[in-house]
Formats: sequence, structure tokens, C-alpha cells
Amino acid sequence: GNSVTQMEGPVTLSEEAFLTINCTYTATGYPSLFWYVQYPGEGLQLLLKATKADDKGSNKGFEATYRKETTSFHLEKGSVQVSDSAVYFCALGQAGTALIFGKGTTLSVSS
Amino acid sequence: GAVVSQHPSWVICKSGTSVKIECRSLDFQATTMFWYRQFPKQSLMLMATSNEGSKATYEQGVEKDKFLINHASLTLSTLTVTSAHPEDSSFYICSALTDGNEQYFGPGTRLTVT
Repeated sequence: GNSVTQMEGPVTLSEEAFLTINCTYTATGYPSLFWYVQYPGEGLQLLLKATKADDKGSNKGFEATYRKETTSFHLEKGSVQVSDSAVYFCALGQAGTALIFGKGTTLSVSS
Repeated sequence: GAVVSQHPSWVICKSGTSVKIECRSLDFQATTMFWYRQFPKQSLMLMATSNEGSKATYEQGVEKDKFLINHASLTLSTLTVTSAHPEDSSFYICSALTDGNEQYFGPGTRLTVT
């Protein structure tokens, strides 16, 4: 079945550091890939998505590229801020179906 | 963009009572909604798929008699936790599908059973 594996956290960085959170997936067919962010006590917010191979999703300085050859969708940001501290979830989904989420990676950024 | 609301945002109830959580799509119609459950510091797990006008489809291991789902209109799905116990305490999140198969999430409902 379909599944998502993302790196274990927590990830602790200083402000302005480079961020990478790894995400790999197993899927049949051609799913869409997503990154969601969850701030403490809140629901999920879509951060970015990609719907086909080689697509790059980007938002708020975050980027991820849909790599079919490596079945990966790693999240990157060149310079993190304290306000980026949150839990990040990688997810995949086929059209019209529920999403399958990774376990989440907690990011903590200090000034 | 599309907006999904949940009510209540948090609820505390006593063991043995039932609690109803509402999920509404505010500016679009949703034939399909999903209910997820999130334990502290863990991922979201799909509980069930709610289809307007028909019975919900439950994931393996989810008790359908305990977690009653009703999708009576194209903008409202409800999840009722019956005879709640402390182990049912969790964060419940719904999502709704647009006609274009975009999925939008509600803000979640935190249930605490004492």
C-alpha cells in the first residue's frame, strides 16, 4: 500500500540556517504530494504541493520537488526564522481520496 | 480559498457521555468529507470517509458503533463519539473535498474525556 516516510525529529536550528526535511514515499499510480504545517494547538495548513513528477511546489520560501526517480519530496528552506517553528507533515494522495501522512517532523528555530 | 470549519474547537466531557463534532464546508459543497484522528505528537490517521447521503466507510480498527458519522447535507458532516472514555481523548480533524478534488482541512476539535 501507499506510505510516507519522513525524517524523525526534532530538528533544531538557529535562525537563518538552511533547512532540509526528508520525505520519501511508496505509491502505486501517480499521487500528488503535499507538505502541511501545524502550529501549536492549531489545525493543518497546506504549505505547498506538487501534482506530477518534476513539479516544484513553493510557498513562503519553502520548496519541494517531486522526484519520481528517487520517490522523494524533500522540504527545503534557505533561511529559517523563529516563526517557522512548527510540525511539518509530508503527505500523499490520489485524486478524491484521503491523504496519507508521514509521522511529522518538529522544527524548532532559535534566535 | 475554500474554508472548512469545525465546532466546537475544544470540548471536555465526562466519561460515558456522548459528544458531537460538526464539520462544515462554508463556501463550497462537499460530497465527500474525511475524519482523521491525531494523538499527541503523532501523525493524522484516517478514521472514516463520509459520503453525503450514504453510510460512512470506516478504516480497519475503527469502531463504527462508537464513532457515528452522519453526512446529511452537502455542507455538513458530524462525528459523534458515543459513550466516550479517556482513551478517546484526541484531536479530531475533518477535511472536505471540492469538486476539483482539492482537500481542505478544518481547524480541528480537541476532545478531553475526564
